[in-house]
Amino acid sequence: EAGVAQSPRYKIIEKRQSVAFWCNPISGHATLYWYQQILGQGPKLLIQFQNNGVVDDSQLPKDRFSAERLKGVDSTLKIQPAKLEDSAVYLCASSLVTSGVTIGNEQFFGPGTRLTVL
Amino acid sequence: QKEVEQNSGPLSVPEGAIASLNCTYSDRGSQSFFWYRQYSGKSPELIMSIYSNGDKEDGRFTAQLNKASQYVSLLIRDSQPSDSATYLCAVNRRMNTGFQKLVFGTGTRLLVSP
Repeated sequence: EAGVAQSPRYKIIEKRQSVAFWCNPISGHATLYWYQQILGQGPKLLIQFQNNGVVDDSQLPKDRFSAERLKGVDSTLKIQPAKLEDSAVYLCASSLVTSGVTIGNEQFFGPGTRLTVL
Repeated sequence: QKEVEQNSGPLSVPEGAIASLNCTYSDRGSQSFFWYRQYSGKSPELIMSIYSNGDKEDGRFTAQLNKASQYVSLLIRDSQPSDSATYLCAVNRRMNTGFQKLVFGTGTRLLVSP
């Protein structure tokens, strides 16, 4: 079974530029997550999709970050304009879980995109 | 108080010893708990999940859960240098929407010396 795919793997941009990341989840996984991981910290959830609907985006800086999951499969995360503090690894994860489930929700991560903002 | 707390380490153990990694969480309603391993420069890899009080064993790994004390631990027996990594504790928190949100600790760095 293929895992979560992400691209690009690395990106270097200057502040105020824009950047986009792409994610393809594990086949059949209804839920897709975008995390931001800053060096030395655990992953922080930015946005969670159930199929193509947003479940939680409470920690997404909506003035500069946007995400979509058209057709309930692939997803893109965009930053515009980027700031120095956006330098981090952006991780995409997916899981089978649907609403109402209280046990489980095993999430599987893609390789991540390392973003450097200069 | 952080939702999920871990000692950042590093935790240094000699090869062949037992490594004990600990995690506490604040939400008493949490019912699902996970341990992820993250090698430097790589993404987190799920190694254990536990949902009931007690122990769960998988090879050299044992996860322990005590919901009354809000405590989760991971034991690694016969530690190998290849186990050197950061271990992330993650706890599911139920949101008002009915969906669950995974909250991560900052991770404990484990160093296994030959």
